Amino acid sequence: DVQLVESGGGLVHPGGSLRLSCAASGFTLSNYWMSWVRQAPGKGLEWVANIKQDGSEKYYVDSVKGRFNISRDHAKNSVFLQMNSLRVEDTAVYYCARDYGGNPAYYYGMDVWGQGTTVTVSS
Amino acid sequence: DIQMTQSPSTLSASVGDRVTITCRASQSISRWLAWYQQRPGKAPKLLIYKASSLASGVPSRFSGSGSGTEFTLTITSLQPDDFATYYCQQYNSYSLWTFGQGTKVEIK
Repeated sequence: DVQLVESGGGLVHPGGSLRLSCAASGFTLSNYWMSWVRQAPGKGLEWVANIKQDGSEKYYVDSVKGRFNISRDHAKNSVFLQMNSLRVEDTAVYYCARDYGGNPAYYYGMDVWGQGTTVTVSS
Repeated sequence: DIQMTQSPSTLSASVGDRVTITCRASQSISRWLAWYQQRPGKAPKLLIYKASSLASGVPSRFSGSGSGTEFTLTITSLQPDDFATYYCQQYNSYSLWTFGQGTKVEIK
């Protein structure tokens, strides 16, 4: 089965750090862009970041630029989101998703999603 | 940045109804739009990409249309499983995505 499993969420104080992981199975991770999408409690979806197949391109929503870093490790079949200088407003469920970034003509949507991991930033 | 606006925010309907959700972009995005369904407590599920292409395994009662700045998602004959929140997503900007704020379809 094609699957994504996130981990690493938890409770952290403002200004702290967390590293989220997303483990892929059932498909070749190196063939796909990957994204992180978050959802604050009771709110809508917000795309956070994505990364190209070879890691050479990374893109971020403005609100996390300079604080978050997306990376990938194909040997571990995983994608990561390093989150630093966390703020209360970063509190959300974080999903990883298989993506197709880049040229929109070859984009097929975020077609595989994990179950999400919860990040709570609070003092 | 491209802004996506969905309407209505909430829609009340009955099983068997035909429902239509609209998504408007702040600038032309050609046909680079996807739709997702999210049930409470679950991850989003891809329904449609490229404005009107049905994702694998999605029932044919779901359809999408539009181009430029105005798009619609239509569900013909609403089923109990379809009561959920629906989001549009633009992908016109190279690898910089934005979602609409969501439309909740609730039971009348």
